Amino acid sequence: ETGVTQSPTHLIKTRGQQVTLRCSSQSGHNTVSWYQQALGQGPQFIFQYYREEENGRGNFPPRFSGLQFPNYSSELNVNALELDDSALYLCASSEDRSNTEAFFGQGTRLTVV
Amino acid sequence: AQSVAQPEDQVNVAEGNPLTVKCTYSVSGNPYLFWYVQYPNRGLQFLLKYITGDNLVKGSYGFEAEFNKSQTSFHLKKPSALVSDSALYFCAVRSASGGSYIPTFGRGTSLIVHP
Repeated sequence: ETGVTQSPTHLIKTRGQQVTLRCSSQSGHNTVSWYQQALGQGPQFIFQYYREEENGRGNFPPRFSGLQFPNYSSELNVNALELDDSALYLCASSEDRSNTEAFFGQGTRLTVV
Repeated sequence: AQSVAQPEDQVNVAEGNPLTVKCTYSVSGNPYLFWYVQYPNRGLQFLLKYITGDNLVKGSYGFEAEFNKSQTSFHLKKPSALVSDSALYFCAVRSASGGSYIPTFGRGTSLIVHP
């Protein structure tokens, strides 16, 4: 196990609702990245947080937002959920923002109905 | 823009035989290259990376990968496959320069090792 934990493991939400996913990074890691993995696809980078600041963002709309806390844990918030937001959401932590070795959590399976 | 191609959706190999999972990439400047493995209903596990130096990189569980700059490839290999190697394998790339730390993943290759 990597030491990166995500909660919840599964979640069902209704279209239009808002959701918050949580991630605890591995001890000693100050960088957290979030990914969306749709069924049958590779992970797509959403954004990265380094020392509580957003440090890079992929091609996702503003309704995807995040936070990193002083203990380097992180949240991913998605507003106005759409059916296409259904996916496995992965969190990864690394020692620094260069992200040359990332440790992934087990993911949160989000289903939007 | 950077990209990764994993040309095979699925690779089948008999246990004990060598395996290769292919990956080609496109990136501006020098690449950082990664392989990850994903078991069902789990997150990704890091296998190995190429940052600089020797083109042959050795990683976890007996896997290795060879960086070929002229062919822009980073194929994953193992001399003798195990049934327990059956999983989904992802190749990823990001630029070594420019201050961007955003990786791009391939679509994945399902490896099936038959007993």
